[in-house]
Amino acid sequence: GQQVMQIPQYQHVQEGEDFTTYCNSSTTLSNIQWYKQRPGGHPVFLIQLVKSGEVKKQKRLTFQFGEAKKNSSLHITATQTTDVGTYFCAGLRLGSGNTGKLIFGQGTTLQVKP
Amino acid sequence: ETGVTQSPTHLIKTRGQQVTLRCSSQSGHNTVSWYQQALGQGPQFIFQYYREEENGRGNFPPRFSGLQFPNYSSELNVNALELDDSALYLCASSRTEYNEQFFGPGTRLTVL
Repeated sequence: GQQVMQIPQYQHVQEGEDFTTYCNSSTTLSNIQWYKQRPGGHPVFLIQLVKSGEVKKQKRLTFQFGEAKKNSSLHITATQTTDVGTYFCAGLRLGSGNTGKLIFGQGTTLQVKP
Repeated sequence: ETGVTQSPTHLIKTRGQQVTLRCSSQSGHNTVSWYQQALGQGPQFIFQYYREEENGRGNFPPRFSGLQFPNYSSELNVNALELDDSALYLCASSRTEYNEQFFGPGTRLTVL
């Protein structure tokens, strides 16, 4: 079936270290979205990537969409304790009749030690 | 905070019962999607409603059904509850079918 795999599942870093999470799809995606969920909270939208090879930056966060539109990554430079949470990628696969499904990865939970 | 609200916040039901969860979308949004999030997992797409019509469905059985009303609010109904239905149910609204999702706080459903 359609799957979006995300690795690693957990990452513990020292404050100031960098962090990267990777997302891979078994099928070509129409777009990919990234969300952050704090413990006890709900997912909050971070960014959407649409074009092949697209790179977008938000302050210390860098998002990439692969050339084949099957993989993506999120890189955080110099992590801070406020970066703690679970990061999800969500790939959009359009089907017949232009309906689609947003398929979430399992998430990467980031812990930052001060 | 998003303008998406969900009710109730928590619910406890027993196997075989039926449940209705409600969602009010953010102003200006005509699309509502429902997700099931089990503990430690990513949200799983249940279905989406766009302008009151179902516009895509995930791998969930027919006992999961929904509605969208003219004001774009929505309901998720689950019949014949099973223990595995215990999860956080998230509603998300968006301006169009596939743009950024604005999630509500969720309804925590426990099936005993």
